[in-house]
Amino acid sequence: GAGVSQSPSNKVTEKGKDVELRCDPISGHTALYWYRQSLGQGLEFLIYFQGNSAPDKSGLPSDRFSAERTGGSVSTLTIQRTQQEDSAVYLCASSLSSGSIYEQYFGPGTRLTVT
Amino acid sequence: QKEVEQDPGPLSVPEGAIVSLNCTYSNSAFQYFMWYRQYSRKGPELLMYTYSSGNKEDGRFTAQVDKSSKYISLFIRDSQPSDSATYLCAKGGSQGNLIFGKGTKLSVKP
Repeated sequence: GAGVSQSPSNKVTEKGKDVELRCDPISGHTALYWYRQSLGQGLEFLIYFQGNSAPDKSGLPSDRFSAERTGGSVSTLTIQRTQQEDSAVYLCASSLSSGSIYEQYFGPGTRLTVT
Repeated sequence: QKEVEQDPGPLSVPEGAIVSLNCTYSNSAFQYFMWYRQYSRKGPELLMYTYSSGNKEDGRFTAQVDKSSKYISLFIRDSQPSDSATYLCAKGGSQGNLIFGKGTKLSVKP
């Protein structure tokens, strides 16, 4: 079946602009996760959803970052007033439920470049 | 100290060699462990996960966990050029997340 899909695959934006990144999880997966991967920093957890609810938003780096999930499926990560330090690959993963956190399947990522 | 530490390498081995990739962790909570493989410009791909101390085998891959020393390893037997990738170890975190090591870049030379 189809895996996790993300769009766009690449995004170049000017500093100060807002961007919206989209994630489509594997069908039937109720848990969805966002991570950020920067050069030399590894994967950094941002937020997760069980259904449409995000129990803990403390992983978001600043209040310029927000995420939502609707209909228990697609999720969007929004970065307002982008800064150069936001440049990274944003990865989305999904799992059958939050109880199967050990079996997360990742999408290909969105490569964000802020100029 | 980061919660999961991993030697970034790079590691270069000849085809057919046995590869050993290692991580240490500091927090004993949420003791489930994963290994992911990531090819260049792709998302991480789950290789194996385990909860228990000891070995878990899947084909050419063996995951080993030693909870007493907080040490996790991945062994690759009969390594192939197609195994060339970055390998990421991960463990459970308190936020319902996974905590990743920084990854070890492996190159298997024909």
